[in-house]
Amino acid sequence: DGGITQSPKYLFRKEGQNVTLSCEQNLNHDAMYWYRQDPGQGLRLIYYSQIVNDFQKGDIAEGYSVSREKKESFPLTVTSAQKNPTAFYLCASSIEPTGSYGYTFGSGTRLTVV
Amino acid sequence: GQQLNQSPQSMFIQEGEDVSMNCTSSSIFNTWLWYKQEPGEGPVLLIALYKAGELTSNGRLTAQFGITRKDSFLNISASIPSDVGIYFCAGQSVNAGNMLTFGGGTRLMVKP
Repeated sequence: DGGITQSPKYLFRKEGQNVTLSCEQNLNHDAMYWYRQDPGQGLRLIYYSQIVNDFQKGDIAEGYSVSREKKESFPLTVTSAQKNPTAFYLCASSIEPTGSYGYTFGSGTRLTVV
Repeated sequence: GQQLNQSPQSMFIQEGEDVSMNCTSSSIFNTWLWYKQEPGEGPVLLIALYKAGELTSNGRLTAQFGITRKDSFLNISASIPSDVGIYFCAGQSVNAGNMLTFGGGTRLMVKP
């Protein structure tokens, strides 16, 4: 079955550490996205990529970095520069860059700073 | 950036009641989408709308694309406990570079 897989489901980070969240899709989608969700809040766009080897900052990119070396993969690194990284992170993909057919979301990674 | 105002922010209803929620914007949208997010999971697409005035159903869910193209509505009839979750609207607008803009979500709680 095609889908989008995020791993790990839960991640704990010590202050000052960088961590990388994995996102893989086998839907052959061109575009991929990373969102951050805080408790009781909506979705805020961190980064997006509409094509391999290209990505753009979203609304809250500071303290995060991404790469898009393969169509299937869009990993997100939460760096030590992100001062409040505890949140639920959602990866999504869409068949075409406009997303007019909707985004397919992964099941999320919950990151906690300890 | 673009903003979608979704209301209400939360609802606590009795099983069997009907539910209505909406999204509004000052901008015109070409596409409206409605998602449901269950606790600890990613949002799942429920309904997609592509034409002003369009009314689309998915089981007990019905959504409408407002005729002004600046709003959309979602109704759930005869709610059941498994309807619990957060419902998000999303709109696609040329003004937002054709990217999706998400509303803040409506948290639905159903009392058996």
